[in-house]
Amino acid sequence: EVQLVESGGGLVQPGRSLRLSCAVSGLTIDDYAMHWVRQAPGKGLEWVSGISRNGVSTGYGDSVKGRFTISRDNAKNSLSLEMNSLRADDTALYYCVKGLTGSYYFDAFDIWGQGTMVTVSS
Amino acid sequence: EIVLTQSPDFQSVAPKERVTITCRASQSVHSSLHWYQHKPHQSPKLLIKFASQSVSGVPSRFSGSGSGTDFTLTISSLEAEDAATYYCHQSSDLPFTFGQGTKVEFK
Repeated sequence: EVQLVESGGGLVQPGRSLRLSCAVSGLTIDDYAMHWVRQAPGKGLEWVSGISRNGVSTGYGDSVKGRFTISRDNAKNSLSLEMNSLRADDTALYYCVKGLTGSYYFDAFDIWGQGTMVTVSS
Repeated sequence: EIVLTQSPDFQSVAPKERVTITCRASQSVHSSLHWYQHKPHQSPKLLIKFASQSVSGVPSRFSGSGSGTDFTLTISSLEAEDAATYYCHQSSDLPFTFGQGTKVEFK
């Protein structure tokens, strides 16, 4: 069974940093793009970031560009999201998501983790 | 940014009825349009990929159609387990975006 398990969420003050991790088991991720998608309380889904299978190409949502950095370690079968200068509107459940293809463009999201909650508040 | 507008926002449906949800894109996304089902306290689930392609394990009552800017998700005969929020998603152009969601409930 394929599992994506997120960790690293929690309560953090505005302006501080947090690093999310996603451990994948049941498949090797080096053939697939990976993504982060979030859902703020009571809101819809928002794509945060994506990374190609080899890690060379990355993309970000407008609201996080310049503050968040996505990375992957194929040898460890893991995905990370470094989040800096956090704001209250970054408060959300963050999902680690596997893409169907190797490119994060033209990709669908076929396997989702359970999510890790990030709360930004003083 | 490509804006995806779903309609309706909410639909109350009797069991066995047909459900149709539309997703309109502010510019062409070609066929890079996907549909997800999201139930409370669960992770979203991919229903339809690339506008009309079926996904392994998804019941055949779910189907998708469209290309360019206008897309449709159809549930041919609503089952109790289908009560959920449905989202469309485009991966044609950065930033990738989701529709606002359509909540489907039973009458």
